[in-house]
Amino acid sequence: DQQVKQNSPSLSVQEGRISILNCDYTNSMFDYFLWYKKYPAEGPTFLISISSIKDKNEDGRFTVFLNKSAKHLSLHIVPSQPGDSAVYFCAASAGSGNTGKLIFGQGTTLQVKP
Amino acid sequence: DTGVSQDPRHKITKRGQNVTFRCDPISEHNRLYWYRQTLGQGPEFLTYFQNEAQLEKSRLLSDRFSAERPKGSFSTLEIQRTEQGDSAMYLCATLTLAGLNTGELFFGEGSRLTVL
Repeated sequence: DQQVKQNSPSLSVQEGRISILNCDYTNSMFDYFLWYKKYPAEGPTFLISISSIKDKNEDGRFTVFLNKSAKHLSLHIVPSQPGDSAVYFCAASAGSGNTGKLIFGQGTTLQVKP
Repeated sequence: DTGVSQDPRHKITKRGQNVTFRCDPISEHNRLYWYRQTLGQGPEFLTYFQNEAQLEKSRLLSDRFSAERPKGSFSTLEIQRTEQGDSAMYLCATLTLAGLNTGELFFGEGSRLTVL
């Protein structure tokens, strides 16, 4: 049972445009959501997170939106840069805040073309 | 470089052999996690330690898997009698208690296991 789903395996955008990566979840007990980025031959690195009590969190070029009623979150990258090309994972945590025990989606490969 | 070191980076073994992976965390990080990632999937939680205490194990962690973190420092993950289905990337990650506010797990580069 895939509790966190990223239905788009890949996404290609032009440099300078907006990248929107989507993630759906099924477990209403999730109370914290995170995005990680992974380059080849490296471990995932943390990008941004959002608590379930918020609907938006912004950090520089990265903004995460949470729609609890739809059980959907998205990551917006504006403007996209070629260095953003990587695999992006959505993750969720249940319990009191972050426990480090995360449930990850399958990942979306983002390609930003110069 | 996140400071979490894993060794070896790649291990090729024959089915039925035992393998051990080591993780050296960032020294001041209290919590240490093991995840497994197979091709085309996101990382899956296996187990985690708070200092030397193993606090939780996933049902994915069969009896052939054992993890230790003696003295709350480095950790080892041993797989006995390996099977082809064990082929995966094994990721170690650490988290400070302060990181509980952000969810920032520091992952190592992983140990890739190939079981022939």
